Amino acid sequence: QEQLVESGGGVVQPGASLRISCEASGYFFSTYGMHWVRQAPGKGLEWVAFIRHDGSNKYYGESVRGRFTISSDGSNTFFLLMNSLRVEDTAIYYCAKDDYGGNFPHYMDVWGNGTTVIVSS
Amino acid sequence: EIVLTQSPVTLSLSPGERATLSCRASQIINSRLAWYQQRPGQAPRLLITDVSNRATGVPARFSGSGSGTDFTLTITSLEPEDFAVYYCQHRSNWPTFGQGSKVEIK
Repeated sequence: QEQLVESGGGVVQPGASLRISCEASGYFFSTYGMHWVRQAPGKGLEWVAFIRHDGSNKYYGESVRGRFTISSDGSNTFFLLMNSLRVEDTAIYYCAKDDYGGNFPHYMDVWGNGTTVIVSS
Repeated sequence: EIVLTQSPVTLSLSPGERATLSCRASQIINSRLAWYQQRPGQAPRLLITDVSNRATGVPARFSGSGSGTDFTLTITSLEPEDFAVYYCQHRSNWPTFGQGSKVEIK
């Protein structure tokens, strides 16, 4: 069964860095890319980043470009390194498996339960 | 950037009734549209891809339609578990979501 488990969330101060992780299991993770999607408290979904399964293509949302970096360990774990964190980055961060396995972001067919990041002084 | 606008913001219905949710794109997006369901306290769930294709395990009471800039998610007869928030998503190099429509129990 396909499964994603996020970890690494926590409470940090503005300007700090944090790396969150997503461990995949139950499918050929060398075939499908991965997204990060976030949801601020009481708000809707915001797409954050995508990485192709081999790490060769990466895309970022405008609000995080230049501050966040998506990566993988080449196996079954994906990461989101978040630098220069702002109060407005406070959210639940979900990793979500891409459903197509191509060069570009597609749809998201398997989701983790999320990890909470709180940026506060 | 393509903006997706969903309506209504909230829809109040009773179990067994029909729900019709709208998603309007700021530009023509062809068939590059998906729908997701998010129940309270849960992660989103993919329902529909490419306007009208049901994802694996999605009941037949869910259907999608539309073209160009106007798209619709229809739930023919609401079950108790269908009361949730629904999001549309545009597939592109920089995916975007609509702001969501909540289907609540009347």
